[in-house]
Amino acid sequence: AQSVTQPDIHITVSEGASLELRCNYSYGATPYLFWYVQSPGQGLQLLLKYFSGDTLVQGIKGFEAEFKRSQSSFNLRKPSVHWSDAAEYFCAVGGSARQLTFGSGTQLTVLP
Amino acid sequence: DGGITQSPKYLFRKEGQNVTLSCEQNLNHDAMYWYRQDPGQGLRLIYYSQIVNDFQKGDIAEGYSVSREKKESFPLTVTSAQKNPTAFYLCASSGIAGGSSNEQFFGPGTRLTVL
Repeated sequence: AQSVTQPDIHITVSEGASLELRCNYSYGATPYLFWYVQSPGQGLQLLLKYFSGDTLVQGIKGFEAEFKRSQSSFNLRKPSVHWSDAAEYFCAVGGSARQLTFGSGTQLTVLP
Repeated sequence: DGGITQSPKYLFRKEGQNVTLSCEQNLNHDAMYWYRQDPGQGLRLIYYSQIVNDFQKGDIAEGYSVSREKKESFPLTVTSAQKNPTAFYLCASSGIAGGSSNEQFFGPGTRLTVL
């Protein structure tokens, strides 16, 4: 069975600081991996995705993520956080059945 | 604009009543999904449908029912058998026939509160 772990429930960073959100997955084959962002009371917006090829993927809003097969990780990074990045972030893993399994989310707070 | 619409945004229900949440998409997607979101638990899959007139139970289907009579629509009924229905409900869709991506697109959600 596939699963996703986001070890950090809540992260606080200062505006302008760098950010890394952790995601570890369990999947029997090469997975499809996603990062979504959710503002309060809203739906989820896709930040980036990995299917195959280059292990460093670029997304919207200046985010990037690196797929590391040996570590079963897909961590999300941003070099300089903006106040508008405050939100909840979800990592998800999926396969050919088009079903996704989501992590429990990481809440990001940005200090001025 | 293509997208997914959910209505209503807020819904209040008395105990013992059934209630239906609407989900419509104009993305020409084959698959549609319903998730329940509770604080600290991420998203849990209730039901999904890969094609019209067919759907499967997800991880937490008890107390819920769905139909898929049209490609664009996937309504969710929360029945009185659902013991703790207060939650945020998200609808999603994915996939065009023959495509390789299983990226899911989400609606804005419906917050259901049982009074």
